[in-house]
Amino acid sequence: AQRVTQPEKLLSVFKGAPVELKCNYSYSGSPELFWYVQYSRQRLQLLLRHISRESIKGFTADLNKGETSFHLKKPFAQEEDSAMYYCAPLGGSARQLTFGSGTQLTVLP
Amino acid sequence: ETGVTQSPTHLIKTRGQQVTLRCSSQSGHNTVSWYQQALGQGPQFIFQYYREEENGRGNFPPRFSGLQFPNYSSELNVNALELDDSALYLCASSLAGREGAGELFFGEGSRLTVL
Repeated sequence: AQRVTQPEKLLSVFKGAPVELKCNYSYSGSPELFWYVQYSRQRLQLLLRHISRESIKGFTADLNKGETSFHLKKPFAQEEDSAMYYCAPLGGSARQLTFGSGTQLTVLP
Repeated sequence: ETGVTQSPTHLIKTRGQQVTLRCSSQSGHNTVSWYQQALGQGPQFIFQYYREEENGRGNFPPRFSGLQFPNYSSELNVNALELDDSALYLCASSLAGREGAGELFFGEGSRLTVL
């Protein structure tokens, strides 16, 4: 069965500290992977996709096929990074996104 | 460019009733996906519509059904409501094809409470 796991429901770091949000997946084939973010009082939106290899708002994510992980990282967290983050592999009959349960990141001043 | 809009934003129903939720796609998008998000959980895929036909479905019973119209807007219908159907229902539009797959534009959701 296809599965995505975000082991941390809550994560707090201080401003300027590095942050890593973990994501592990169990999927047949080689799925494309995405991170979505929801800021307070805003709608869910795409943060980044692994095939683009871009850095968005200072965040990067490396796909590790051996460990089946796609952790999201930022070297220096900012208060405006506080949000709910969802990891989402793409797959299935409709090439749909399957969302993890999310990690609420709080960046403390 | 108009974003994804959903209506109603909130509604309350009783067990056994039926509900229809509506979604207007972002301008130019031809694919609509519906997700259910229970409190404290990530969005769960219900189904996707492309060219007015369902082209993929998650683990939801047949009492969850949908429609897509020629203008790409969409409806989600839920019959015989159960208490566990209480959730935020999210609509997302996208472009079909490899480039659009996975890049979803979400609405703000319809919050359904079943009493």
